[in-house]
Amino acid sequence: VVMTQSPLSLPVTLGQPASISCRSSRSLVYSDGNTYLYWFQQRPGQSPRRLIYEVSNRDSGVPDRFSGSGSGTDFTLKISRVEAEDIGVYYCMQGSNRPPLTFGGGTKVEIK
Amino acid sequence: QVQLVESGGGVVQPGGSLRLSCAASGFTFSDYGMHWVRQAPGKGLEWVAFVRYDGSKTYYGDSVKGRFTISRDNSKNTLYLQMNSLRTEDMALYYCAKHVDLEDWGQGTLVTVSS
Repeated sequence: VVMTQSPLSLPVTLGQPASISCRSSRSLVYSDGNTYLYWFQQRPGQSPRRLIYEVSNRDSGVPDRFSGSGSGTDFTLKISRVEAEDIGVYYCMQGSNRPPLTFGGGTKVEIK
Repeated sequence: QVQLVESGGGVVQPGGSLRLSCAASGFTFSDYGMHWVRQAPGKGLEWVAFVRYDGSKTYYGDSVKGRFTISRDNSKNTLYLQMNSLRTEDMALYYCAKHVDLEDWGQGTLVTVSS
C-alpha cells in the first residue's frame, strides 16, 4: 500500500490552522471493521511520536488542537491553531494491510 | 514510564555485520510485539521488521529480507536486530518501537555503512 502525503512542505502562521492530507492506494478498512491509520510527529532532532491512532483517536498527552479524520483512502490531520512547538515533520502510516507497515513521505510544517 | 534504549550502532564496511539491541523498561516487555524502523539521513521513515510478543513470528520489509534477523530475549527485556551483508543504503538511524501500532519509540542508534 502506497501512502501519499500532501503538501510536502507547509508554511504556517502561528495561531492559524493547518491541514495535512494522506491518501492510500488501497482502502484501509480492515476485515474487523477498524481502520488502522496513524499520524506521527517528528520534531527537529527528536524521535517520532505517535499523535493519532485509528484515524481519529488522540494519544495520551496530545493537545486537543490536533485532530484526525477521514475514511477509506482519504485522511486528514488538522491543527486548529499552530503553536511553535508543532514545528516538525508529520507522517501518516497504515497498518491495515500489513506486512509491511507503510509510511507517507512526510509533511514538513514550518513557520511562514 | 516506558523506556526504549537502542545501542550497537557504529561504522561498518559494506558486506559487514552489526547487531543492534533495544533495552526495554517500564512495561511488561513479554506482552508486546516490537518493531524496528529506520530513517536514512534527511529521509522519511521505513519499517524494517516486527516480532510477535513471544518471538513466534517475524516479518520483514522487502529491502532487508534474507539479510536481517529480528529476535528478542524476554528474560532480558531486550530486542535485537542482526544485520548481515550490509549495504550503503542500510545507513540510517534505527529505532525500536513498542507494540503493533508503534505507540512508543526509542531515541535511535546510528548505523553508518562506508568503506
